Amino acid sequence: KQEVTQIPAALSVPEGENLVLNCSFTDSAIYNLQWFRQDPGKGLTSLLLIQSSQREQTSGRLNASLDKSSGRSTLYIAASQPGDSATYLCAVRFSGSARQLTFGSGTQLTVLP
Amino acid sequence: DAGVIQSPRHEVTEMGQEVTLRCKPISGHDYLFWYRQTMMRGLELLIYFNNNVPIDDSGMPEDRFSAKMPNASFSTLKIQPSEPRDSAVYFCASSPLFTEAFFGQGTRLTVV
Repeated sequence: KQEVTQIPAALSVPEGENLVLNCSFTDSAIYNLQWFRQDPGKGLTSLLLIQSSQREQTSGRLNASLDKSSGRSTLYIAASQPGDSATYLCAVRFSGSARQLTFGSGTQLTVLP
Repeated sequence: DAGVIQSPRHEVTEMGQEVTLRCKPISGHDYLFWYRQTMMRGLELLIYFNNNVPIDDSGMPEDRFSAKMPNASFSTLKIQPSEPRDSAVYFCASSPLFTEAFFGQGTRLTVV
């Protein structure tokens, strides 16, 4: 079964700290991987998309990496701010299956001022 | 483009009533997805369409759920009759093939 796992479920850090969120997936045959942010009561905002041929993508203070062979992705947030507080979701589009995204359960991040 | 648009944003209905959720995908996107989010189960795919054709509805929980996409700019998810356990946030998303998926703001459904 193709699954996506995110650990930890919750993380609290002081403002200014650099942090890493983890995502693992069970099948290395993927089309792409997408990181989302979800604020309480809101929809999902796409942060970064990494295609299977790529190793990393960057957007501002965010950097996402992909290691297909080990079935892992990380989302690195530099110089965290209280406004970064949200739930971060990792989603994988597996090869050979349907075209949908399979989601992890998310990491709830709190950045303390 | 205004993004994926869902309506209504909130819906409160009584058990047994019919509920219809609506979605307008981003123009030009070939794929449309309906997801359901609950605390217990996270985000689950219900059904997806490719070029208006339903491709995989294996995630639809029961026959009470149905979805249609009559044209490239509109889709509906219907629950008839609704039950309290259907209470969740329902998201619609669209994407071109193999690229970035964009989500709507969701419809928060409460069945009392």
